[in-house]
Amino acid sequence: GAGVSQTPSNKVTEKGKYVELRCDPISGHTALYWYRQSLGQGPEFLIYFQGTGAADDSGLPNDRFFAVRPEGSVSTLKIQRTERGDSAVYLCASSYQGPKLAHAQFFGPGTRLTVL
Amino acid sequence: GQNIDQPTEMTATEGAIVQINCTYQTSGFNGLFWYQQHAGEAPTFLSYNVLDGLEEKGRFSSFLSRSKGYSYLLLKELQMKDSASYLCAVSYSGAGSYQLTFGKGTKLSVIP
Repeated sequence: GAGVSQTPSNKVTEKGKYVELRCDPISGHTALYWYRQSLGQGPEFLIYFQGTGAADDSGLPNDRFFAVRPEGSVSTLKIQRTERGDSAVYLCASSYQGPKLAHAQFFGPGTRLTVL
Repeated sequence: GQNIDQPTEMTATEGAIVQINCTYQTSGFNGLFWYQQHAGEAPTFLSYNVLDGLEEKGRFSSFLSRSKGYSYLLLKELQMKDSASYLCAVSYSGAGSYQLTFGKGTKLSVIP
């Protein structure tokens, strides 16, 4: 079956511009996560969706970052007024979501964002 | 914070066994995951431990001791393709989202 897909695979933009990154999760996975990974570091949590709602956005670094998942499937991460420090690989992951236990998250290939 | 600590780099010989250790803060622990990440690629799920003991899956095994806040990933019969970064990640309850907190990863180099 299809895994998590992300588009674009690479995005180069200029400082101050607006970008959108798209994630298509595994069919049937209700939980969707966005992470950001810088070189030599592990992924860092940004935001979590359970269905259509952002249940936990505590990892978003500031109000320039926003994400939506309007129909409970595809999600878009939006970054306004990009800064050079936003350059990183943005990873999307999805999982089943049980009532108590954590479930394995499956990652997409990521979008490499470069802000010049 | 919820520091996840693992060695930065390790080197092992093809055909050998290697153990990658991970320590974490125990408060609110809800599960531990190991991921493999090849350079330029996404993390891929290897194993999940929530109870104490050893979970074996082919050449890979993962161990957990909740009281000690300790886990290891054991790779047997190493192959050149096992050269990758290995990420230890912990899920903490109370976060409301089962988000994973990752270590910085252990870069494993397998040499002939």
